[in-house]
Amino acid sequence: EVQLVESGGGLVQPGGSLRLSCAASGFTFSSYEMNWVRQAPGKGLEWVSYISSSGSTIYYADSVKGRFTISRDNAKNSLYLQMNSLRAEDTAVYYCARDHPPFVYWGQGTLVTVSS
Amino acid sequence: DIQMTQSPSSLSASVGDRVTITCRASQGISNYLAWYQQKPGKVPKLLIYAASTLQSGVPSRFSGSGSGTDFTLTISSLQPEDVATYYCQKYNSAPITFGQGTRLEIK
Repeated sequence: EVQLVESGGGLVQPGGSLRLSCAASGFTFSSYEMNWVRQAPGKGLEWVSYISSSGSTIYYADSVKGRFTISRDNAKNSLYLQMNSLRAEDTAVYYCARDHPPFVYWGQGTLVTVSS
Repeated sequence: DIQMTQSPSSLSASVGDRVTITCRASQGISNYLAWYQQKPGKVPKLLIYAASTLQSGVPSRFSGSGSGTDFTLTISSLQPEDVATYYCQKYNSAPITFGQGTRLEIK
C-alpha cells in the first residue's frame, strides 16, 4: 500500500524557516517523481514544487521561487521542502503527492502557520 | 503562464440532476487536464485524467470531455455523496496549475 506521511509543520514567525518531510513507503521511491502542493485555509489547491526521480530536474511555482527548496533522499525514501523567508501567505496545509501529474497518491498533509 | 478558469465557482443542484462544470485554459493544453474531487476535511481524489479517462474505482456517473482550451466535468446523476469541491488541473508543462475550484452542494 502506498503511504505518504508528511511531518515538520508548525507555527513559525514571519521571516522564519521550516523544513517539511514526506516519508514514503509501499513503493520504490527512487522510481517516482514527487511534488509538494499546498492549500491555504478555506482556499484552493496550489502546486508548489516538483522533483524528478533522480532529483536532477526541479520546478517551482513563482510564489515560492528563491525561498523554497525541494530535495529528496532516495536512500531514506524521503522528500523534503526547505522553506525560508516565510510569509503569512505561506500559511497552508502542505501535501506531498506522488508522480508526474496527475496525482493519484497524496499524503494527509501537514499544517504550516506563519504568524507572529 | 497558463491560467485555468473554472465555472461556476459554486453550484447547487438536486439529487439526480445532471451537473456540468467547465474549465477553460488561457492557452491550448491538448488533453493534459485532470479533475479532482475534494470533500470537506479530506485529501483531493483524482477523478479523471487525460481530459476524459476515468480513474480506476471512480463511479461511471463522472465523465470528462474536451481538448485544447475548453474542458467539462459532468456528473450524470448527482448523488448526495458528490457534495465536494471540484478542481481542474493542467499538467502539460510546469508550472502545474489548478483551477480555483467549484463548490457543489445539494439543493
